[in-house]
Amino acid sequence: GNSVTQMEGPVTLSEEAFLTINCTYTATGYPSLFWYVQYPGEGLQLLLKATKADDKGSNKGFEATYRKETTSFHLEKGSVQVSDSAVYFCAPASFQGAQKLVFGQGTRLTINP
Amino acid sequence: DTGVSQDPRHKITKRGQNVTFRCDPISEHNRLYWYRQTLGQGPEFLTYFQNEAQLEKSRLLSDRFSAERPKGSFSTLEIQRTEQGDSAMYLCASSSHRLAGGVGANVLTFGAGSRLTVL
Repeated sequence: GNSVTQMEGPVTLSEEAFLTINCTYTATGYPSLFWYVQYPGEGLQLLLKATKADDKGSNKGFEATYRKETTSFHLEKGSVQVSDSAVYFCAPASFQGAQKLVFGQGTRLTINP
Repeated sequence: DTGVSQDPRHKITKRGQNVTFRCDPISEHNRLYWYRQTLGQGPEFLTYFQNEAQLEKSRLLSDRFSAERPKGSFSTLEIQRTEQGDSAMYLCASSSHRLAGGVGANVLTFGAGSRLTVL
């Protein structure tokens, strides 16, 4: 089955810093790839996705590129804000059947003003 | 559409009691998933329905757990004889699978979750 390894947290940055959260995965076939975000006290929300190699997903200033050759889907943002403080989850979807998401352990991000 | 609704949001119970959670998915979604999330961990897959059929169950889903989706709309997750290790957030998600160019884009929309505390 699929598995995913995320950069361990917690990650603490200052406002306007550059953010990278690394994510690598193992999977059968070519899964769709997702980043979900969980803000304090809220449920999981889709942040961005990519469905095939070299696709770039983007939303709210965040970007991630589907790299088939390195099986990676690193999350980046050029200038973070305090409101970006949350837990971020990388998740490949199983290629067939349920297409269920397999989540990493999450990376807690704290942005200081 | 109000998204995926879960009820109750919080449940505190004593060990050995039975509990039931309900999930109302987005109305046009035919797929429904249950996940469990413990503190500091990512969500773990429990089970999946397509319409009313339960098509996949995780090994995490012991005999004390049962899930149903009788009419292909709402779903229930029942835990019998609860144990302290069952304490977790139980998440429900739904999706509508669409094919585009032969590649699926199955986006799951999650509910806020039902938090279970077993004393």
